[in-house]
Amino acid sequence: KAGVTQTPRYLIKTRGQQVTLSCSPISGHRSVSWYQQTPGQGLQFLFEYFSETQRNKGNFPGRFSGRQFSNSRSEMNVSTLELGDSALYLCASSLLLSTDTQYFGPGTRLTVL
Amino acid sequence: GIQVEQSPPDLILQEGANSTLRCNFSDSVNNLQWFHQNPWGQLINLFYIPSGTKQNGRLSATTVATERYSLLYISSSQTTDSGVYFCAVFSGGGADGLTFGKGTHLIIQP
Repeated sequence: KAGVTQTPRYLIKTRGQQVTLSCSPISGHRSVSWYQQTPGQGLQFLFEYFSETQRNKGNFPGRFSGRQFSNSRSEMNVSTLELGDSALYLCASSLLLSTDTQYFGPGTRLTVL
Repeated sequence: GIQVEQSPPDLILQEGANSTLRCNFSDSVNNLQWFHQNPWGQLINLFYIPSGTKQNGRLSATTVATERYSLLYISSSQTTDSGVYFCAVFSGGGADGLTFGKGTHLIIQP
């Protein structure tokens, strides 16, 4: 089976712009979670989607949003980018429950100038 | 929320050495995973181990849920074992996704 894929792998944006990141889970997996990794805060949970519905949400401002499509692919969007949004954004998929084994994609490295 | 502490934060070893990485957590968990993050940022799943002991080649892990800790053992280290090792847990409700520790940065020197 193919692993979790994320596109794009690298992205450079300027402050105030918005960005959309994409994640395709492992075939058959229905839960998709997003995480942000920064040197200062480490790995932090953003949100989780299951069957096109947001099931859980971390402690991030409303500028961070996401959605999931009927084929389980997910996108996350960050509006009005700030310098502090520069991070590695990781997507994880699991079979059904968020407590199942999580498999991570290679990540999207976002730089905000 | 639940707290996850990993030790040591940094570890430098020679090739062939053995090591033990520790993960302490502050509350009961229903999922604990160990990951290896490679230099390109990819998190590789090593073990799903909410309790008990598992082995996979040179790596093994033990979680003692009642005492709220987990150990990752790496034997006969190789340079390719270098990277950051993370412990991550789900607390009872799982409402906050995985909570990660700050990781152990392991460097294996040839």
